[in-house]
Amino acid sequence: DIQLTQSPSFLSASVGGRVTITCRTSQGINNYLAWYQQKPGNSPKLLIYAASTLQSGVPSRFSGSGSGTEFTLTISSLQPEDFATYYCQQLNSYPLTFGGGTKVEIK
Amino acid sequence: EVQLVESGGGLVQPGGSLRLSCTASGFTFSDHYMDWVRQAAGKGLEWVGRIRNKAEGFTTEYAASVKGRFTISGDDLKNSLYLQMNNLKTDDTAVYYCCRAGRVGGPSGYWGQGTLVTVSS
Repeated sequence: DIQLTQSPSFLSASVGGRVTITCRTSQGINNYLAWYQQKPGNSPKLLIYAASTLQSGVPSRFSGSGSGTEFTLTISSLQPEDFATYYCQQLNSYPLTFGGGTKVEIK
Repeated sequence: EVQLVESGGGLVQPGGSLRLSCTASGFTFSDHYMDWVRQAAGKGLEWVGRIRNKAEGFTTEYAASVKGRFTISGDDLKNSLYLQMNNLKTDDTAVYYCCRAGRVGGPSGYWGQGTLVTVSS
């Protein structure tokens, strides 16, 4: 199974700040990587797929990059509504797997 | 508008069975891959399994933790997805989400609101 390791698991940031979350995979996944945002009490929401393609309706301050076994999610200017937990998921091979999550809180 | 509504959650004893349903609307159910994903309280997301579209024979894939105990099926006439869960364990306690992926797989672009399954004596 492909393991996904997210870092950090928790970060504190200010509104307007830049945030970068890393997802490392245990083997190459051909860029079949997605990022989700989950707010407390809500279902997850797809932000990015194929490592860097923004899902329709997602603000452009979110971006994804990376290749091979290292991927990043960047929020260029953190907004109050962005405080949430973020998960990566690999879709290259079964079983599909998620990273452990990164909780972004207000500084 | 795509909508996914899960039902069937509840309290069940260890070793028991439960069937979850997910009623889909706003799209042609049989054209898409569908997933079940679960989340224990205060924990991260865990992929449970996937069913491919009708053209690919509604074939399935499962996580190792549920393989042999859980079965995913679909009924395109009822636009519904099911998760039959047998021999339930306390570790299966979680909110279960029904999700819609693309026509050829890919990520889960649409999620239901989830249904809570509690396995306890």
